[in-house]
Amino acid sequence: KQEVTQIPAALSVPEGENLVLNCSFTDSAIYNLQWFRQDPGKGLTSLLLIQSSQREQTSGRLNASLDKSSGRSTLYIAASQPGDSATYLCAVNDYGGSQGNLIFGKGTKLSVKP
Amino acid sequence: AAGVIQSPRHLIKEKRETATLKCYPIPRHDTVYWYQQGPGQDPQFLISFYEKMQSDKGSIPDRFSAQQFSDYHSELNMSSLELGDSALYFCASSLPEMNTEAFFGQGTRLTVV
Repeated sequence: KQEVTQIPAALSVPEGENLVLNCSFTDSAIYNLQWFRQDPGKGLTSLLLIQSSQREQTSGRLNASLDKSSGRSTLYIAASQPGDSATYLCAVNDYGGSQGNLIFGKGTKLSVKP
Repeated sequence: AAGVIQSPRHLIKEKRETATLKCYPIPRHDTVYWYQQGPGQDPQFLISFYEKMQSDKGSIPDRFSAQQFSDYHSELNMSSLELGDSALYFCASSLPEMNTEAFFGQGTRLTVV
């Protein structure tokens, strides 16, 4: 059964710092991996989608990498800002379920201090 | 750009009552998924539909049912509500092709009292 783990569970950094969030998954047979942002009590905002055949995706200050063979993904946030404070979730879409049956990690709660 | 619309945004029900949550996918998205996120938990997949047919089923209780209609909107029906059903319920939609991005709605916060 696929399991997704995110480390650390919480992270606090000063504004302007570059940071890395980690995501690992136990079964490398995945279609894709998606990173989301969730503000408290709010919905999930899709940040980046990486297909299983891709190594990385970039969007603005965000860069996500995928190493399928080792079951790892990282989300790199450059020049962090207080507005980046949120919980970041990674989710995999694996061969065990249909498309859209995403398996989520428990998230990393990021706090960027001014 | 149009997003996934969920209604209502907030719902308060008493135990043993029934609730209906609605989801309107992004135009041209014919695949819809439902997720449940309990307090402090990660989202858990409940059920999905493709072209009005159930395509996959997750940890959805027997007290819950869902369907997708001809206009592709979906409804999640929840009966005999329990306190433990209090959660944020998300709907997501995507294009039918494999490996496409799932877009989530803002969720319906259900509180059972």
